[in-house]
Amino acid sequence: GDSVTQMEGPVTLSEEAFLTINCTYTATGYPSLFWYVQYPGEGLQLLLKATKADDKGSNKGFEATYRKETTSFHLEKGSVQVSDSAVYFCALRRRDDKIIFGKGTRLHILP
Amino acid sequence: NAGVTQTPKFQVLKTGQSMTLQCAQDMNHEYMSWYRQDPGMGLRLIHYSVGAGITDQGEVPNGYNVSRSTTEDFPLRLLSAAPSQTSVYFCASSPGTFATNEKLFFGSGTQLSVL
Repeated sequence: GDSVTQMEGPVTLSEEAFLTINCTYTATGYPSLFWYVQYPGEGLQLLLKATKADDKGSNKGFEATYRKETTSFHLEKGSVQVSDSAVYFCALRRRDDKIIFGKGTRLHILP
Repeated sequence: NAGVTQTPKFQVLKTGQSMTLQCAQDMNHEYMSWYRQDPGMGLRLIHYSVGAGITDQGEVPNGYNVSRSTTEDFPLRLLSAAPSQTSVYFCASSPGTFATNEKLFFGSGTQLSVL
């Protein structure tokens, strides 16, 4: 079945470091791809999305590019801040509207 | 400006009890869904609905029932609670379906413990 695989966490970085969180997917057809973020004690909120190959989603300094050839949607940020500490979820949305999430990656940013 | 409202926020049940988790949205969203979040497992889709009168199973539907009689409400029923259903449950909605690729709006969650 369709699935989303994210790198295991937690990921611990110093402030201003470069961030990459890997995400790969398995899906039939042509899904849309999303990154959501969950801050402590809250529900998830959309960070960015991409709906077709080579699309780049971006928001708050985060970026991810839809790579159909490698079935990947890696999240990157050039300089992380303490306030970026959260859990990040990669997700896909199929044409039948089933939305599948990865297991999440916890990110800790040290001052 | 309520958004997605889930009740209750916390619930403790005994094994075998039944209960309904409520979810309501006031944004006229077509799409609604239920997820459970467990440590190390991420979010797993239980059931979803693309409109009133239409429901479908997600990844982990066993032990849960849903119905969608109105656009606003999407209750999740546990008919006979089991300890394996201890989890945090999130309801989420979006304005449209795949064709519009709208984001999900999440409720604040229900923490359920089954003893």
